[in-house]
Amino acid sequence: QVQLQESGPGLVKPSQTLSLTCTVSGGSISSGDSYWSWIRQPPGKGLEWIGYIYYSGTTYYNPSLKNRIIISVDTSNNQFSLKLSSVTAADTAVYHCARGNWNYWFDPWGQGTLVTVSS
Amino acid sequence: NFMLTQPHSVSESPGKTVTISCTGSSGSIASNYVQWYQQRPGSAPTTVIYENNQRPSGVPDRFSGSIDSSSNSASLTISGLKTEDEADYFCQSYDSSNVLFGGGTKLTVL
Repeated sequence: QVQLQESGPGLVKPSQTLSLTCTVSGGSISSGDSYWSWIRQPPGKGLEWIGYIYYSGTTYYNPSLKNRIIISVDTSNNQFSLKLSSVTAADTAVYHCARGNWNYWFDPWGQGTLVTVSS
Repeated sequence: NFMLTQPHSVSESPGKTVTISCTGSSGSIASNYVQWYQQRPGSAPTTVIYENNQRPSGVPDRFSGSIDSSSNSASLTISGLKTEDEADYFCQSYDSSNVLFGGGTKLTVL
């Protein structure tokens, strides 16, 4: 079964760029029916969809974040990545990667990684 | 902007039935599929309902989902409550420009 695991720094300074990678195991990231997504959850708050990438490189971003986001895919390593620029404390959250399908059903999810924005 | 509104919390006793609502702010919630996720503390969300009323394998039939177009809302019903059902539950859908989650409902089974 497909499993996802996030990795990256747990602490980022304000105004810098947050960078995370999601490694997919148990299946191919080039699966034609999967939309590889990032979703975040600020501590004690709800979930916010960040965006997704298709294995071909097509992306779709949350309109409220799209000016600061780049999601990329590395099919040779079965990974996809998130870059979020100009971060502030409001970007502190647990960042999850997840597999989505055509109707935006996200399953499974990675365990999530906490990223704190602080100087 | 389209939003999904859930009650902040609900509580019920073991063995009883509880329903969690998810109300769309505009348009028709029936236009696109609604998913429901369960999240226990410190864990990633897992699906309990997808495509309005479908259960993934392994999810007991105590969990059911429905759509009510008249109230523009989706509902998650859990019957025969167990203490292990205590968790946060999020609804999720999408519109033409975005994917949206409800704010989440904390279910307490006491």
